[in-house]
Amino acid sequence: QVQLVESGGGVVQPGRSLRLSCAASGFPFSTYTMHWVRQAPGKRPEWVSFISPDGRNTYQADSFRGRLTISRDNSKKKVFLQMHNLRSEDTAVYYCVREDGGYYFQYWGQGTLVTVSS
Amino acid sequence: IELTQSPVTLSLSPGERATLSCRASQSISSHLAWYQQKVGQAPRLLIYEASSRATGIPTRFSGSGSGTDFTLTISSLEPEDFALYYCQQRDNWLFGQGTKVEIK
Repeated sequence: QVQLVESGGGVVQPGRSLRLSCAASGFPFSTYTMHWVRQAPGKRPEWVSFISPDGRNTYQADSFRGRLTISRDNSKKKVFLQMHNLRSEDTAVYYCVREDGGYYFQYWGQGTLVTVSS
Repeated sequence: IELTQSPVTLSLSPGERATLSCRASQSISSHLAWYQQKVGQAPRLLIYEASSRATGIPTRFSGSGSGTDFTLTISSLEPEDFALYYCQQRDNWLFGQGTKVEIK
């Protein structure tokens, strides 16, 4: 079955960097666009970034412009999110999701909590 | 494109019918999905392309609409249906602000 398992979250000071990982299994990983979606406490889910199946095309939400890098390793079936200059408003659960049908997300990981605090 | 969900909270009893609305600020054709989220869990896809049920979703969940106005209907609420519901559209994968279905 499809599984997405995130890791790398934790408590980090403002201005620092953090790298999240997502390990995928149960589907042909190299043929799917992958996304990161985050959800701050009590808020709606917020799309963060996507990466195309071959890794050549990426895009990120305006609120993150210049502060993050998404990448993938198809040989290891992993997707990564490198975040820089973290702010308190980046505190959220970060989910790795698989894109289906061009925009909707059938499969989600369990999420990894990122807390930005001094 | 913005999504506006209504009502913010829906208070109903088990067995009742729930009707949730999602309105887009401009036409999005049928490119709308609905999700259910329970406390401490990731969102769960219910409906995609406005009216197609996702794998394993019970038939009491149905979606309708196109253009700017969409509806998620739960025909008869089961105890496990009391949760948060979000709509999502294709443009920048934006989510609505959510509707909470609570027990009356």
